[in-house]
Amino acid sequence: SSELTQDPAVSVALGQTVRITCQGDGLRSYYAGWIQQKPGQAPVVVIYGKNKRPSGIPDRFSGSRSGNTASLTITGAQAEDEADYYCNSRDSSGYQVIFGGGTKLTVL
Amino acid sequence: QVQLQESGPGLVKPSETLSLTCTVSGGSISNNYWNWIRQPPGKGLEWIGYIYYSGSTNYNPSLKSRVTISLDKSKNQFSLKLRSVTAADAAVYFCAREDWSATPGNYYYYMDVWGKGTTVTVSS
Repeated sequence: SSELTQDPAVSVALGQTVRITCQGDGLRSYYAGWIQQKPGQAPVVVIYGKNKRPSGIPDRFSGSRSGNTASLTITGAQAEDEADYYCNSRDSSGYQVIFGGGTKLTVL
Repeated sequence: QVQLQESGPGLVKPSETLSLTCTVSGGSISNNYWNWIRQPPGKGLEWIGYIYYSGSTNYNPSLKSRVTISLDKSKNQFSLKLRSVTAADAAVYFCAREDWSATPGNYYYYMDVWGKGTTVTVSS
């Protein structure tokens, strides 16, 4: 399969924990990358591989995988975390790049 | 620190060819995948294709018949050509470097460096 499925929208109260999920067959073979995009800005990766954070990404962001589902967890969500989040990986063949449809995170 | 910058015409006429270039600075075209990705207004990210530093390419099947991605290592650039454009091709176009790991038990690919994006409008 060459699809990654995400919930279109998720909300979280300020300071609470939220999990954003991504499903796809390719995730059984490859860890997902998680991309944050704020309005009018270029995407930025926040998690990749087996729960790795690029330099400068707060440690409240973490990632995990179970079977064909990848998850991005934000522990203690902040107002600045309000953004669109996309999962990204390769399909089962490893040749095609795939993106999830994106999840709009609202911090209440 | 590697940076990417897209360049090219912001306006393309219907049926013509969209041509964009991504210039890599702060490093060289190295052992990574070099991607083009687009985002139509109000929509999600769509992968267009990539070129590996060896020159091999792979394209989104939905665009494959119209796309060519090429590499110029001497200029530290890679380029996108999309033929026969229509209004549906109007989008912000991003170039991105894709890093990867082939360590057993830790296979991954991810877009670690992105350009700022360039807006392409299709109109006569």
